[in-house]
Amino acid sequence: AQSVTQLGSHVSVSEGALVLLRCNYSSSVPPYLFWYVQYPNQGLQLLLKYTSAATLVKGINGFEAEFKKSETSFHLTKPSAHMSDAAEYFCAVTRRNNNDMRFGAGTRLTVKP
Amino acid sequence: NAGVTQTPKFRVLKTGQSMTLLCAQDMNHEYMYWYRQDPGMGLRLIHYSVGEGTTAKGEVPDGYNVSRLKKQNFLLGLESAAPSQTSVYFCASSRGTGYSNQPQHFGDGTRLSIL
Repeated sequence: AQSVTQLGSHVSVSEGALVLLRCNYSSSVPPYLFWYVQYPNQGLQLLLKYTSAATLVKGINGFEAEFKKSETSFHLTKPSAHMSDAAEYFCAVTRRNNNDMRFGAGTRLTVKP
Repeated sequence: NAGVTQTPKFRVLKTGQSMTLLCAQDMNHEYMYWYRQDPGMGLRLIHYSVGEGTTAKGEVPDGYNVSRLKKQNFLLGLESAAPSQTSVYFCASSRGTGYSNQPQHFGDGTRLSIL
């Protein structure tokens, strides 16, 4: 079975600083990986996804993530944090031809002025 | 442009009561899912459906039942609510087999409290 681990349940950065949210995955077969964002009182929205086309994936709102097979990682980054980035972020994994998506526990991002 | 719609948005129940949560999607998706979200645990899959008339158990199915009588609707039932079922419930949908690289689309959630 596949799984993801998100390192750090809370991350706090200053506005304009680099955002780095960590995700490591475990999968017996090549995975599909996703990052979702959840704003208060809303459902999850897709930020970006990795499906093996390119290891560096660009998403919405200036976020990107790099798939590193040797490190089994799929960390999410953004060069300059904005106040509107404050939310909870979830990493998720599925296996090919299997819609059983597994989510990490989430990382809450706080952006300080 | 509704996407995935969940009703109700909030509900308070007493222990032992029953209720049904409704999920409707207008994207013609084959697959539908029910998750529960609890602090520090991410989302856990309760049940899912790969097509009209089919359902399957996820990670945490006990205490819940589901039905998919129509392709666009997926119902989650609690027959005898327990305080441990206090949670936020999310419905999601996605395209079907062979599309596992496609994301799931989520509703805004149902906040359920069991007293």
